[in-house]
Amino acid sequence: IAGITQAPTSQILAAGRRMTLRCTQDMRHNAMYWYRQDLGLGLRLIHYSNTAGTTGKGEVPDGYSVSRANTDDFPLTLASAVPSQTSVYFCASSDSGQPGELFFGEGSRLTVL
Amino acid sequence: GQNIDQPTEMTATEGAIVQINCTYQTSGFNGLFWYQQHAGEAPTFLSYNVLDGLEEKGRFSSFLSRSKGYSYLLLKELQMKDSASYLCASMDSNYQLIWGAGTKLIIKP
Repeated sequence: IAGITQAPTSQILAAGRRMTLRCTQDMRHNAMYWYRQDLGLGLRLIHYSNTAGTTGKGEVPDGYSVSRANTDDFPLTLASAVPSQTSVYFCASSDSGQPGELFFGEGSRLTVL
Repeated sequence: GQNIDQPTEMTATEGAIVQINCTYQTSGFNGLFWYQQHAGEAPTFLSYNVLDGLEEKGRFSSFLSRSKGYSYLLLKELQMKDSASYLCASMDSNYQLIWGAGTKLIIKP
């Protein structure tokens, strides 16, 4: 099935632990994004990648890192989780010709205790 | 600064028409986007406006006035399945989307 796959869908994590959220797309989109969504706030961009091998910082990058070794995969890592990183995380991709039309994964709900 | 404003919640009746407003202020402008997000699900793309005027797509239409920094999403013949949050987003000069907090639309029978 074409689209974006995120894993895990849900995770409870102890503060201080390292966590990687996985994201894979099969649409051959150049651009990929990681957002967090918190109640009462709009989607906030954490990191993005316009093409394989490049990444950039979004609005709220602190405490997160990403890599883009190939077109399909864009993992997000929390090096040392803190409770304020409790959120729903969405991975998304877009075709370079239509940058505003994002295709989202189903989300990863992360709780940091 | 960059800012997107939309109402937090709206209620409408099945079969009726509802208009969800959005005002935006971004560094540069490369288009206004609307997304639908059902509870517990991912956002899905609805519409895109870059020129002033109305874009119609079935029961949904979106309007843009660039001079006023204003857009609206118009939903006609409301169905229960239209109960969702509607997200407004403006694309800035760096081609990044700036998102509003979303409008939760409640449809009553």
